[in-house]
Amino acid sequence: AQTVTQSQPEMSVQEAETVTLSCTYDTSESDYYLFWYKQPPSRQMILVIRQEAYKQQNATENRFSVNFQKAAKSFSLKISDSQLGDAAMYFCAYRSPQGGSEKLVFGKGTKLTVNP
Amino acid sequence: DTEVTQTPKHLVMGMTNKKSLKCEQHMGHRAMYWYKQKAKKPPELMFVYSYEKLSINESVPSRFSPECPNSSLLNLHLHALQPEDSALYLCASSQEYTSGVSTDTQYFGPGTRLTVL
Repeated sequence: AQTVTQSQPEMSVQEAETVTLSCTYDTSESDYYLFWYKQPPSRQMILVIRQEAYKQQNATENRFSVNFQKAAKSFSLKISDSQLGDAAMYFCAYRSPQGGSEKLVFGKGTKLTVNP
Repeated sequence: DTEVTQTPKHLVMGMTNKKSLKCEQHMGHRAMYWYKQKAKKPPELMFVYSYEKLSINESVPSRFSPECPNSSLLNLHLHALQPEDSALYLCASSQEYTSGVSTDTQYFGPGTRLTVL
């Protein structure tokens, strides 16, 4: 079974600075999807970024980018120019592409605080 | 538009009540999900519907009864719940998968905060 580990329960960053959230996973599959979701206090889970394992290029979405290291099974999220609105719980998630395996495997989350 | 809506936002119910949670999406997605999330924990999958048929039940107690009346709607019927069932209930949807290949991104609704007294 796949597992996802987020080793940082809490992180903090100064506004306008850069922070990196770490995520590692364990799988025997060669193809899969990885996600970062953000859950602010308003509680809605918002997709931040996704990465297909077969793509070597790291995904980017505006201020958010990932460092995907397939061999190391690492998928870290970098937030540049941090904003107060980035404060949230961040969940890393894994999904198998196989039919009948729609389950998202989540890490335990990292709570990000942005200091003004 | 990647919107999934859920009603109600908050629900308080007694252990003998019957209530329902509703989820709706108009993105043409054919897979819909119910998750339960306790405070400071990741979401836990409860049910998956694919093409309006239940495809995954993660051994959820029968006091939770899902229903998918059509491709846009997903309900969760609640009956005789326990205080430990108090949680945030999240709905999500994703595009259908065909030929055994799952399309991947799940979009979540804002959730229903359920309190069982």
